[in-house]
Amino acid sequence: DTAVSQTPKYLVTQMGNDKSIKCEQNLGHDTMYWYKQDSKKFLKIMFSYNNKELIINETVPNRFSPKSPDKAHLNLHINSLELGDSAVYFCASSQRAWGTRGAGELFFGEGSRLTVL
Amino acid sequence: AQTVTQSQPEMSVQEAETVTLSCTYDTSESDYYLFWYKQPPSRQMILVIRQEAYKQQNATENRFSVNFQKAAKSFSLKISDSQLGDAAMYFCAYRSPQTSGSRLTFGEGTQLTVNP
Repeated sequence: DTAVSQTPKYLVTQMGNDKSIKCEQNLGHDTMYWYKQDSKKFLKIMFSYNNKELIINETVPNRFSPKSPDKAHLNLHINSLELGDSAVYFCASSQRAWGTRGAGELFFGEGSRLTVL
Repeated sequence: AQTVTQSQPEMSVQEAETVTLSCTYDTSESDYYLFWYKQPPSRQMILVIRQEAYKQQNATENRFSVNFQKAAKSFSLKISDSQLGDAAMYFCAYRSPQTSGSRLTFGEGTQLTVNP
């Protein structure tokens, strides 16, 4: 059983297109995240949702729109794709959002490699 | 904002030897969590070890151990008896329980090569 699953794992598309990446977790966690890993392998947070509520929204172009239909799902839609959007996008989940001891680590999906031509 | 620094972009070790990866961080908080994640060529992010700042004892997981120096804001990872399967990118990460929203802030990563 995959704990955090993302689809698709690979995505090749043309500039200007719109694409979506889906994420689902079966761990019962209440917080989910999107991270972007660039070509230098640097990981940077983009968004975080807690029980379907957006709680982190980093400086990300508004072409990126996350959507959480329920606490087990967090999707990422990207409009008008640009060359610089090429990266690996990771979905992750964790048990608690903040403030409590015992708050655990993030569990990551396998990543979705997006290539914009 | 918290920052995490890994000053060694690349490291190499002979199989069966020991290697230490360095990590420093900057924070004004007294309570937080530190992690080491491993990313092999498969791309999967795998948790190696975690440390709660309020615990004085260094965490250990089999061949992996940390040297947590809270005053120095240092969190190094020691891998003993290195194996070929340890070859990967290793990321140090910081997590604060106090901020609104709990994110992991990552260092730049250290690429570890294990030589047979």
